[in-house]
Amino acid sequence: KQEVTQIPAALSVPEGENLVLNCSFTDSAIYNLQWFRQDPGKGLTSLLLIQSSQREQTSGRLNASLDKSSGRSTLYIAASQPGDSATYLCAVNTDKLIFGTGTRLQVFP
Amino acid sequence: GAVVSQHPSRVICKSGTSVKIECRSLDFQATTMFWYRQFPKQSLMLMATSNEGSKATYEQGVEKDKFLINHASLTLSTLTVTSAHPEDSSFYICSARRQGYEQYFGPGTRLTVT
Repeated sequence: KQEVTQIPAALSVPEGENLVLNCSFTDSAIYNLQWFRQDPGKGLTSLLLIQSSQREQTSGRLNASLDKSSGRSTLYIAASQPGDSATYLCAVNTDKLIFGTGTRLQVFP
Repeated sequence: GAVVSQHPSRVICKSGTSVKIECRSLDFQATTMFWYRQFPKQSLMLMATSNEGSKATYEQGVEKDKFLINHASLTLSTLTVTSAHPEDSSFYICSARRQGYEQYFGPGTRLTVT
C-alpha cells in the first residue's frame, strides 16, 4: 500500500529564507508526483507536476525534484514571502492520487 | 482552461437529512471524476472514483450506501451524503480528469451537520 509522508509537519520562518519541504513515498511505481498549495478553507492549487521520467521541474521561485528510486521528492522555495504561507501537499499518482500528510508553512515579515 | 466548480461552497444541514454536492467541469469533458474528504488539519483522503456512465469505485472503508455518487454526464458528478450525521461534517473536494491529463480540483464544499 502506497504511503506518502511529508516532513516537517509545520514550519515557521522569517521572510527571505530559502526553504526545503520533503516528501517521501513507499512505492516507486508512480506515473508522476505533484505538489499543491492549499490556503485555509480553500481548494488546491497545483504548483508543479513531475513526470516519473523527470528529475525536476521549476516554476518561478519554486523548484521540485524527484528521485523515484529512493522514493523522495523535495520542494524548494527560494526567498520566501509572507504570501507563501499555506499548507503544501505532495501527491503521487498511481492512476489515483495519494496525498501526503502536508506541511503547514508560515512565513512572517 | 480546465476549470472545475463545486456547488454549494458551504452547506449546513440537520442530522438525518441528505445533502447533494455537485461537481462540474466547465470547459472540458471529464472521463473520470474523483471525490475526496478532508478533516481539519488532515490531508485529502480519496473516497471514490467515478467514470462517466459507470458505477463508482469506492475506497476501502467508505460506505457506498451512505455516499451516493452519480456521474451521469462528462461534465457533472454528484455526491449525495444520505442520512448525514455530525461525524460526516468535513470538507469535500472533487477533481476531474480527461483522458491522459492530470486531475483538476474544485474549490471544495464545507459540510456542517448539526
